Amino acid sequence: GAVVSQHPSRVICKSGTSVKIECRSLDFQATTMFWYRQFPKQSLMLMATSNEGSKATYEQGVEKDKFLINHASLTLSTLTVTSAHPEDSSFYICSARDNQENQPQHFGDGTRLSIL
Amino acid sequence: AQSVTQLDSHVSVSEGTPVLLRCNYSSSYSPSLFWYVQHPNKGLQLLLKYTSAATLVKGINGFEAEFKKSETSFHLTKPSAHMSDAAEYFCVVSLSYNTDKLIFGTGTRLQVFP
Repeated sequence: GAVVSQHPSRVICKSGTSVKIECRSLDFQATTMFWYRQFPKQSLMLMATSNEGSKATYEQGVEKDKFLINHASLTLSTLTVTSAHPEDSSFYICSARDNQENQPQHFGDGTRLSIL
Repeated sequence: AQSVTQLDSHVSVSEGTPVLLRCNYSSSYSPSLFWYVQHPNKGLQLLLKYTSAATLVKGINGFEAEFKKSETSFHLTKPSAHMSDAAEYFCVVSLSYNTDKLIFGTGTRLQVFP
């Protein structure tokens, strides 16, 4: 089956640090990947859609300069949380959709980000 | 516009008894519907999907769901709960021709007691 690998699984760092999260599709090509944020006991909120070779599309209210997205290949997208602060602490999940038509999104295992 | 409502935030069952997780949707166009499961501190795993083929959809781990257009429902069922089924379950809707925009329900936490 389709596997999406997300790394790291957990990050603890000081306020002001920039943190990079990687999302890889291991056995399929994904022109489009997605970044979600999940607050405790809540559902997933789409932050941005990552497009290979072009700029990401951000949802309303998401700061693109704060959450930098790079999608340099058909199997890798990265999310960098720049100058992270405690309010950025959250569970970040990526997903990827196989380039074939009508394929569902497959999710990574998420990254627990804790900013001290 | 599309929306999805999960009617129960928590469901508790005993091991070996049936599971029913309820989901109602609203969509202006032909929808695709999904159920995902999330175990603690993990991502989401696809259980099953409906994409305008058979209305009764069988998924992994013995789960199935039935698309009922007249009731705008897509309830998830399993005949016999297992302890390992304890998790958070999300009902998700998207347009059938564009699965990029997923609309998530608020989730149902399933507890399974021995």
